[in-house]
Amino acid sequence: DAGVIQSPRHEVTEMGQEVTLRCKPISGHDYLFWYRQTMMRGLELLIYFNNNVPIDDSGMPEDRFSAKMPNASFSTLKIQPSEPRDSAVYFCASRLTSGSGGELFFGEGSRLTVL
Amino acid sequence: KNQVEQSPQSLIILEGKNCTLQCNYTVSPFSNLRWYKQDTGRGPVSLTIMTFSENTKSNGRYTATLDADTKQSSLHITASQLSDSASYICVVSASGGYNKLIFGAGTRLAVHP
Repeated sequence: DAGVIQSPRHEVTEMGQEVTLRCKPISGHDYLFWYRQTMMRGLELLIYFNNNVPIDDSGMPEDRFSAKMPNASFSTLKIQPSEPRDSAVYFCASRLTSGSGGELFFGEGSRLTVL
Repeated sequence: KNQVEQSPQSLIILEGKNCTLQCNYTVSPFSNLRWYKQDTGRGPVSLTIMTFSENTKSNGRYTATLDADTKQSSLHITASQLSDSASYICVVSASGGYNKLIFGAGTRLAVHP
């Protein structure tokens, strides 16, 4: 299996622009998570889905952030409009409902820089 | 409040030496504890998982311990290699679902030749 695939790996944009990050989870995994990582705050859960349905979005910082999962093999995290404080590495992770003690499989991350 | 604290924040050791990383948690009720390794520019990868009944678990040169009474875990790295240079993140899962994860801030380890 190719693992969790994220794109783009790097994104540099200007304040006010729309940013869309993409994720393809591991085939067969029924949970998908979006995390944000910064030096100051470490890894923070933004939102997670179960069987394509958003379960908990309490970590989404503002209405500027939105996430969708239209099918089992694709999810997007959108920031509109972007701000410099959104600069971070965004990780997508997936896992199975059972087995492996809930191990999360992370993608390589999307490094976002908002100027 | 559920918290996970790791120490030291950063560590530099010479290749071939051993080191121990610490993780203290106040998560309750406890389900399990994982150690993840995160190489620079990569996503975290699970090293070990410890459940309530487990005291020690090894994965090659990595050995994790858990003391559920004192709510402490350690990750011991034996005969360090340059490839061990990474951040090591302690993640505790609260009972009620594997989605209730509390992340530590990580220990950044640098192994020098």
